[in-house]
Amino acid sequence: EAGVAQSPRYKIIEKRQSVAFWCNPISGHATLYWYQQILGQGPKLLIQFQNNGVVDDSQLPKDRFSAERLKGVDSTLKIQPAKLEDSAVYLCASTFWTGHTSSYNEQFFGPGTRLTVL
Amino acid sequence: LAKTTQPISMDSYEGQEVNITCSHNNIATNDYITWYQQFPSQGPRFIIQGYKTKVTNEVASLFIPADRKSSTLSLPRVSLSDTAVYYCLVGVINAGNMLTFGGGTRLMVKP
Repeated sequence: EAGVAQSPRYKIIEKRQSVAFWCNPISGHATLYWYQQILGQGPKLLIQFQNNGVVDDSQLPKDRFSAERLKGVDSTLKIQPAKLEDSAVYLCASTFWTGHTSSYNEQFFGPGTRLTVL
Repeated sequence: LAKTTQPISMDSYEGQEVNITCSHNNIATNDYITWYQQFPSQGPRFIIQGYKTKVTNEVASLFIPADRKSSTLSLPRVSLSDTAVYYCLVGVINAGNMLTFGGGTRLMVKP
């Protein structure tokens, strides 16, 4: 089956500019996540969607970051305006977990978008 | 969520068995232990998960002592392609946001 797709793979912008990332999860996966991974660190969860609703966005810097999943499938993550410290890889992941099962919700990750802010 | 502690890095040689230990002293009763692997320029990938004793799959084994305050990921006969970062995570199995990553262990396999 096709994996999680992300685009673009690389993006270079100047500080204070805007940028958007796109994610297409595995078909049928109700839950979608965005992670930020700074070089040398583990991924940090930014936001979690279940279908088109937000489950957890407690670590999303809402003054500059926004995310949406309007139809419960694709998702976009936007940064406006970008800061130097936003340079990182942005990972999208999805899982079949619907919130009502007790089976393990293995997360499947996309290849990520590497953002460089100059 | 339980905090985990792993070695920052490890070196090994091809053909050797590698054991990576993770400490999670404040693991809760409902928490499971999960390991992910991440290659450069890729997202993390699930390797194995367990609750207690021993779990084995085609990739690795996971050893969990009775007190569950630590766990050991065992990779048999590593090859160069096993060079990656390995993350130990602890959390509730049916919580969609259980993945809190630490710094991971950077494994370097040498020829």
